[in-house]
Amino acid sequence: EAGVAQSPRYKIIEKRQSVAFWCNPISGHATLYWYQQILGQGPKLLIQFQNNGVVDDSQLPKDRFSAERLKGVDSTLKIQPAKLEDSAVYLCASSLAGPTETQYFGPGTRLLVL
Amino acid sequence: AQSVTQPDIHITVSEGASLELRCNYSYGATPYLFWYVQSPGQGLQLLLKYFSGDTLVQGIKGFEAEFKRSQSSFNLRKPSVHWSDAAEYFCAVGARAGNMLTFGGGTRLMVKP
Repeated sequence: EAGVAQSPRYKIIEKRQSVAFWCNPISGHATLYWYQQILGQGPKLLIQFQNNGVVDDSQLPKDRFSAERLKGVDSTLKIQPAKLEDSAVYLCASSLAGPTETQYFGPGTRLLVL
Repeated sequence: AQSVTQPDIHITVSEGASLELRCNYSYGATPYLFWYVQSPGQGLQLLLKYFSGDTLVQGIKGFEAEFKRSQSSFNLRKPSVHWSDAAEYFCAVGARAGNMLTFGGGTRLMVKP
């Protein structure tokens, strides 16, 4: 079974530029998550989708971050404009629907903002 | 609001020695609890999870964890560590109303030969 795919794996941009990350979840997984992991910290949930609807985006900085999940499958996370403090690894995870279902994580996209 | 504390940022153990990684949580009800491992350049992999029932949970790679409600703890253990266990370990608590995880800050495990 294929895992969660993410691209790109690495990205370097200058502050005030924009960037987008892509995630393809495990086939059949209704729930998709985006996490931000700053160096030395645990992952922090940014947004959770159930199919193509948003379940929770309370920790998403909506003035600069946006995310969508068209057709309930792939998802993109965008940052515009980027700040230095956005340097982090962005992790995508997916799971079957339900609070006890295991989340499966992708390898992440490492972003460096200069 | 739920939270997780992993008191040890770094731990070094000798290969073959036993291991215990500490995790304390704060949650208003009986939580869902998880341990994940993250190897360099890899995504997070689930080691084990606790939802209900037996408070001693067995996981993959020889790991186990014990839920202690009175201590709000969910410590991870392994009787004999292998060099390949060197990685970062994250404890997480999940909300029963959804599937949103709150992670601790992680413990980096180093294994001496």
